[in-house]
Amino acid sequence: NAGVTQTPKFQVLKTGQSMTLQCAQDMNHNSMYWYRQDPGMGLRLIYYSASEGTTDKGEVPNGYNVSRLNKREFSLRLESAAPSQTSVYFCATRQGHYGYTFGSGTRLTVV
Amino acid sequence: DQQVKQNSPSLSVQEGRISILNCDYTNSMFDYFLWYKKYPAEGPTFLISISSIKDKNEDGRFTVFLNKSAKHLSLHIVPSQPGDSAVYFCAARGDTGTASKLTFGTGTRLQVTL
Repeated sequence: NAGVTQTPKFQVLKTGQSMTLQCAQDMNHNSMYWYRQDPGMGLRLIYYSASEGTTDKGEVPNGYNVSRLNKREFSLRLESAAPSQTSVYFCATRQGHYGYTFGSGTRLTVV
Repeated sequence: DQQVKQNSPSLSVQEGRISILNCDYTNSMFDYFLWYKKYPAEGPTFLISISSIKDKNEDGRFTVFLNKSAKHLSLHIVPSQPGDSAVYFCAARGDTGTASKLTFGTGTRLQVTL
């Protein structure tokens, strides 16, 4: 079992370019999440999806959009990348009642 | 507004000694607390958790203590091992809905030296 798979692992974008970060889980969990990790800021919630067909904003949603394509997949889109979006992005799914299972992350650099 | 705070960015401990990582929170509605461990180039992994109705939870070398009146929790690792060197995040749940969102602290980098 792969758990939570994120692609790509690394990406460099120019300011203004767009891209989609992919996340897929094989754990049959309903809830999925996108976080970003920045030095000194910890993990901050961008968007989440409580179940297939629903999405909601988290703490830092500006500049992002999401799609919950089906139960397995939850993608994060940057329509016009900015240097402030340079970060490590983590997708997660809820494990058990409270804990999360995280993917290995996507390291994004916007130049 | 940082609702979950880890005021020590880093901690260095000798192998075999106790590591104590601290976390403070401001939201009294948080009802469940978790610790995650993160190695470089990997995602965080769940370590241990505690419900707000308890004050202590133990799992092998790891113990989490919760002081609700002080809005403070701590993670004790005894004895510390070199493999424990990682970044540790505390997290809190304040959403009892289906989404069960977690709020994370800023992390503490633990280095266990030989």
